[in-house]
Amino acid sequence: AQSVTQPDIHITVSEGASLELRCNYSYGATPYLFWYVQSPGQGLQLLLKYFSGDTLVQGIKGFEAEFKRSQSSFNLRKPSVHWSDAAEYFCAVGLRGGGGNKLTFGTGTQLKVEL
Amino acid sequence: KAGVTQTPRYLIKTRGQQVTLSCSPISGHRSVSWYQQTPGQGLQFLFEYFSETQRNKGNFPGRFSGRQFSNSRSEMNVSTLELGDSALYLCASRTQGANTGELFFGEGSRLTVL
Repeated sequence: AQSVTQPDIHITVSEGASLELRCNYSYGATPYLFWYVQSPGQGLQLLLKYFSGDTLVQGIKGFEAEFKRSQSSFNLRKPSVHWSDAAEYFCAVGLRGGGGNKLTFGTGTQLKVEL
Repeated sequence: KAGVTQTPRYLIKTRGQQVTLSCSPISGHRSVSWYQQTPGQGLQFLFEYFSETQRNKGNFPGRFSGRQFSNSRSEMNVSTLELGDSALYLCASRTQGANTGELFFGEGSRLTVL
């Protein structure tokens, strides 16, 4: 069965510092890959997605992620964090060809931003 | 364009009761799925509906059920509530034919079981 690992439960960074959130997946083939963000009391908002092609994908709010097939990773990055980025971030994978809406999520990384 | 709307946003029930949650997808979206979010288990897929038919089901007991109406609105029902059913229930929709898993989530219904 597929699985997603986000090894960092909590991360604290200073405002203006760079950020990298890690995500590794276990899958038989390259899945669809996603990063979602969740603010307190809110639903999930899609930051970016990887389907195919260029392995460096750009998302909203200045985020980007790089797919590395050899490492089964899809790490999220931002060059300069803003206080409003404090939230919980989820990496997710989806099946190609018929998986529909069944995403498998990681356990999430809680980001705290120090001013 | 209105987003995914879930009602109610908050509710409190007692063990043994049942609950029905509602989800209105984004206009034009015909696929709706449900997820349960808890601190212990994280986000887990419950089920997916497309054109009033269940297409996928997660690993949950039969107490969890759902349906979809002809206008794409969906409901999920949990019967004989247990304390462990306390969770945030998230509904998501996507466009027809977009078999890419790009989901748009609602803000959720937070269920507390006492």
